[in-house]
Amino acid sequence: EVQLVESGGGLVKPGGSLRLSCAASGFTFSSYSMNWVRQAPGKGLEWVSSISSSSSYIYYADSVKGRFTISRDNAKNSLYLQMNSLRAEDTAVYYCARVREWYSGSYPGPTDYWGQGTLVTVSS
Amino acid sequence: SYVLTQPPSVSVAPGQTARITCGGNNIGSKSVHWYQQKPGQAPVLVVYDDSDRPSGIPERFSGSNSGNTATLTISRVEAGDEADYYCQVWDSSSDHRGVFGGGTKLTVL
Repeated sequence: EVQLVESGGGLVKPGGSLRLSCAASGFTFSSYSMNWVRQAPGKGLEWVSSISSSSSYIYYADSVKGRFTISRDNAKNSLYLQMNSLRAEDTAVYYCARVREWYSGSYPGPTDYWGQGTLVTVSS
Repeated sequence: SYVLTQPPSVSVAPGQTARITCGGNNIGSKSVHWYQQKPGQAPVLVVYDDSDRPSGIPERFSGSNSGNTATLTISRVEAGDEADYYCQVWDSSSDHRGVFGGGTKLTVL
């Protein structure tokens, strides 16, 4: 059974930092690309970042580029999101999600499994 | 940047057909994926690559994509289908990025 378990969320002050982690199990983690997707309270889904299976391709939303860093450790079956210079508008539930397949045009396809999410609150 | 437009809400009676649209410039040239999200739960992929269904998703869920509009069709709607639905594409026209529509709340009357 595919499982994705996020951790590391919490309350942080504006300008602060957090590191989210996602522990993957039930599949060969090193063979799959991964996404971070967030959802602000009462709002829709927002794509944040994608990383290919070998970390060769990394993409970010404009809203987080330069502040967030996605990474992975295939030996530890783990995905990470380092979040710096946090803003109030970064407040959201952050989902770790598996990409079903990586398309030949060097971009991710659909997301087929999602974690339950971890809440990040940026407030003074 | 690429924008996907969904109606905020769609209402349908049980047993009827619900159609949820997703508009975007020449979206027919992109692969469209659809997600269902119920309150307090993570999203679930219900249709991918315009019209394919993941295993375990009922045949009542289908999709199409042409021109400037993609459509998720739910036949024989059940009370359990009430949820938010999001379309999603990958925009590689200028800079690679994922794009979600704003979401549509499906209400089963």
